[in-house]
Amino acid sequence: QKEVEQDPGPLSVPEGAIVSLNCTYSNSAFQYFMWYRQYSRKGPELLMYTYSSGNKEDGRFTAQVDKSSKYISLFIRDSQPSDSATYLCAMSGLGAGQNFVFGPGTRLSVLP
Amino acid sequence: EAQVTQNPRYLITVTGKKLTVTCSQNMNHEYMSWYRQDPGLGLRQIYYSMNVEVTDKGDVPEGYKVSRKEKRNFPLILESPSPNQTSLYFCASSGNSGAIYEQYFGPGTRLTVT
Repeated sequence: QKEVEQDPGPLSVPEGAIVSLNCTYSNSAFQYFMWYRQYSRKGPELLMYTYSSGNKEDGRFTAQVDKSSKYISLFIRDSQPSDSATYLCAMSGLGAGQNFVFGPGTRLSVLP
Repeated sequence: EAQVTQNPRYLITVTGKKLTVTCSQNMNHEYMSWYRQDPGLGLRQIYYSMNVEVTDKGDVPEGYKVSRKEKRNFPLILESPSPNQTSLYFCASSGNSGAIYEQYFGPGTRLTVT
């Protein structure tokens, strides 16, 4: 079993739809959870990160963490064609000296 | 402009010929890291560095070396590249403490080893 699992997609949705992207993980030591967006032929860029369980909202994006289920989600409201990209979840333990573990990414296409 | 730069962006080489991929950041970040990205496997961490002269192995360090002699630079060295090191490589940096989770990535280096 991989340490972090993520549905690779591709996921196609119409413009304006609500998108749900998910990751599951097996390591209960993970405390920080991150979502990155990666456009084709570019480096990943951080969308948001959360600590422990709970929700965090930033504009059209909402991140949810359920540590009891080892499950994290990213919701995109009012999706736009410019949201078409690969979305990567990433996780890390607490404190300095922790390495980061990434999911394989979900490719999203938002159709006009 | 705050950025992470990598050179070269594209490299084709032959098995066994030593190569270095450079990484530099202008944000005075303490934390720097190297990843490789392969289809279906996502990003995997190779090495990371918490500060000058402090480096540690990530999940896939075999066949790679790093050094951190200056805060801004973190080169990745492949002393004897092999075809299974053909991949897309990313360097990233972030500040320490709480900011460590806000990693900034470079544009990537596509390496082909024949």
